[in-house]
Amino acid sequence: NAGVMQNPRHLVRRRGQEARLRCSPMKGHSHVYWYRQLPEEGLKFMVYLQKENIIDESGMPKERFSAEFPKEGPSILRIQQVVRGDSAAYFCASSPIGDSYEQYFGPGTRLTVT
Amino acid sequence: AQSVTQLGSHVSVSEGALVLLRCNYSSSVPPYLFWYVQYPNQGLQLLLKYTTGATLVKGINGFEAEFKKSETSFHLTKPSAHMSDAAEYFCAVTPNSGGYQKVTFGTGTKLQVIP
Repeated sequence: NAGVMQNPRHLVRRRGQEARLRCSPMKGHSHVYWYRQLPEEGLKFMVYLQKENIIDESGMPKERFSAEFPKEGPSILRIQQVVRGDSAAYFCASSPIGDSYEQYFGPGTRLTVT
Repeated sequence: AQSVTQLGSHVSVSEGALVLLRCNYSSSVPPYLFWYVQYPNQGLQLLLKYTTGATLVKGINGFEAEFKKSETSFHLTKPSAHMSDAAEYFCAVTPNSGGYQKVTFGTGTKLQVIP
């Protein structure tokens, strides 16, 4: 039973480019959460999605960031016009229906903006 | 609103010594509490969780934690540290109030195990 998959594991972008981070939840999980981890800080919640719906995006920056979880395919976190401050580890987690507090984490995507 | 405070961003113990990582929480309703471990360049792995029932919770790798409501604490312990325990540990809380609730993470404690 494969766990949460994230790709790419490492992503380097120059300032102004777009970054696309992908997350495939565990089989049978339809809830996806995105977190950002900055050096020396804990995980900060960004967004919670169910299939085709954004449930809670209270942690998402108002500009340049967007997320989707289509009916088919992985969840995508998209960062437009990246800046150096976007450099961080981005983690995706998934949970089964009804158990949103027990989350299973992927290995993360480490984004470096040069 | 809920929050967690992890005392000590870095903790060092000798191999074989007791591990004690501190976590205090703040929650306006009864909480669910968690400890996660993160090894370098990896995602978080659930060590243990408290939801309801027994306040002493046993997890993987010999770790356990005790929910103390009077102290609003959920400290993580292991009787004897092993080199493989070196990692970063995160305490987390979410309200036990049904439906969707955000999980709030602490800032983490890096555990160093000295041979």
